[in-house]
This record gives sequence, C-alpha cells and structure tokens, in this order.
Amino acid sequence: QPVLTQPTSLSASPGASARFTCTLRSGINVGTYRIYWYQQKPGSLPRYLLRYRSDSDKYQGSGVPSRFSGSNDAATNVGLLLISGLHSEDEADYYCAIWYSGTWVFGGGTKLTVL
Amino acid sequence: EVQLLESGGGLIQPGGSLRLSCVVSGFTLSTHAMSWVRQAPGKGLEWVSSVTEIDTTYYADSVKGRFTISRDTSKNTLLLQMNSLRVEDTAVYHCAPGLMGDGDWGQGTRVTVSS
Repeated sequence: QPVLTQPTSLSASPGASARFTCTLRSGINVGTYRIYWYQQKPGSLPRYLLRYRSDSDKYQGSGVPSRFSGSNDAATNVGLLLISGLHSEDEADYYCAIWYSGTWVFGGGTKLTVL
Repeated sequence: EVQLLESGGGLIQPGGSLRLSCVVSGFTLSTHAMSWVRQAPGKGLEWVSSVTEIDTTYYADSVKGRFTISRDTSKNTLLLQMNSLRVEDTAVYHCAPGLMGDGDWGQGTRVTVSS
C-alpha cells in the first residue's frame, strides 16, 4: 500500500470549490505529519502551495492566494487541500507529500479539470 | 529574488555518468537544505535526494549507491553526481529548496538515458 494515495482526477465548475484528498497509509497518523501541497500546470514546473499539520502549524507559500487552504481529517487519516472560487487557470495536477522516515514521499497526484 | 538554475543534463547511454548542477542565487546554500526531484515523461513527481544544512544526505532507494548529492558552497551550487545510469532514470531533474521544496523550484534539466 503506498504511503500517500490521491485520486487520479477531480472535476469542478468555475466558481465552485475543489476538495483534494491525500490518504495516509494505515499506521501513519495524519496529525503527526506536515502535509505539503504542490501545483503543476501543464508544461510548467511544480509550485509549492502550502503545508498543513494543524491550525497552529501551517504555512502558506509566497504569493499563494488565501482561497487555497489546507486541513486534515483525523477520523479518516486524510490530508486535504481546499480551493475555493475555482478559476479556469487552477486546472493543474496537484500533489501532496510528506517527509517520512528520511524520505520525501509524493502522492501520485490528482488532475483537476475545471469545466 | 531567489533563482535556481539547473544544468548538466543531456543524452547518455545506459551505464554512463552525468553531473547535474544547480546554481542558487538569492540565498546562501550553506545555511539551507536542498533537494533534487525528478519527473519522468508523463509521470508524477519523484524525490531523488536531499542534503541538509549540516550535510546529512538522503536518497531514494531507486538511486541509492548510484547517485551522490553534494554542495559547493563556494559557488553556491548544488550538485548531483549520477553514475550507472539506467533507462528508468530518464526524466527532468529539478532542484528544490529545503527538504520539502517549500519555495521556488528550478526549471529543470532533462536527462535522457538511451542507447
């Protein structure tokens, strides 16, 4: 079972919200780890968005709008990226990651389609 | 302004070696951790290696024993020596700040391993 699991795709309408999930493998507690999120638009390099562990341990990347936010759900052991007020230019691949056992582990990425 | 500029990629035969460089401007490499992340064509992000500010190094299992990360602090340059290259090492290699890429990434340098 992978350390981090992301759905392969997500679609939402302009102006709506998108909720990305990053499921941690059983035994890896979401509350223990900072979950990092990255955006990669087609043909572009990855962009760091934010990290989140708790409301007192979170950090927004430089220039990242506040409509991008992080959270987690301890009950389901899931890290979350929320994008509100979707724009067409938010269409991209979104990756989660953690630093786990001396390795930087990425999820497989979720492709967001805004239509 | 922070800038990361990679170089050193190219076409190389399996078993060959390449040395990637990442020239850093806008901050002092000696006081920051740095990482290499790669992306194979049409695939997701894959962490390769990281080095801390105290020169502790970390490697993905897929490159351990073949790749060596280092820093030339006199030139503010991050290095990745890649030996015994395999076809599956074909990717764009990005340098990224910190252990989790929580800042601006470099544009990347393309490595193609093919006979």
